[in-house]
Amino acid sequence: GQQLNQSPQSMFIQEGEDVSMNCTSSSIFNTWLWYKQDPGEGPVLLIALYKAGELTSNGRLTAQFGITRKDSFLNISASIPSDVGIYFCAGQGETSGSRLTFGEGTQLTVNP
Amino acid sequence: NAGVTQTPKFQVLKTGQSMTLQCAQDMNHNSMYWYRQDPGMGLRLIYYSASEGTTDKGEVPNGYNVSRLNKREFSLRLESAAPSQTSVYFCASSERGNPWSGSPLHFGNGTRLTVT
Repeated sequence: GQQLNQSPQSMFIQEGEDVSMNCTSSSIFNTWLWYKQDPGEGPVLLIALYKAGELTSNGRLTAQFGITRKDSFLNISASIPSDVGIYFCAGQGETSGSRLTFGEGTQLTVNP
Repeated sequence: NAGVTQTPKFQVLKTGQSMTLQCAQDMNHNSMYWYRQDPGMGLRLIYYSASEGTTDKGEVPNGYNVSRLNKREFSLRLESAAPSQTSVYFCASSERGNPWSGSPLHFGNGTRLTVT
């Protein structure tokens, strides 16, 4: 089946710093989704990507669908304390009936 | 507009007890899903319902049953709870009928289940 590797597993940064995390897959994906999960809540969709090379922003967040279609990146600029949470990538393969697969998450801690 | 609502938020069961987790969405979505979240393992699909009247197994269906009661509601039942089912359970919904179309999922806030 499809496998997704998300890195890093955790990050500890100072407020104001930029953050970058990524996901790589063992197979080609047609869709990449990035979610954020706050403590005690469900994941919330941040950005959806549907084309190779696509670069999409949502405020201070920018995500890219890798050209190889096997990876995706999420960048957060000028981090603030409310960016704390777990960030998940999710991807769907190109073959018919392939599952939406989730990465294991990146735990982000922002020190004020 | 509540989105996806799950009940209960917390539950403690003894091994062998049964319970049903409830989920309802008010976005008129076609597809609904049940996931479990365990530390270091991301989100794993238990069951899904592509459309009203249909249900299918996901990655980890053993020990669970589901019912798509109507377009809004999708319940998850544990017939005989086991400690391995201690987890956080999330219900989600998506707009398109085909769950593998890349249609983004909208999640509820989860049910935290402990089985002792």
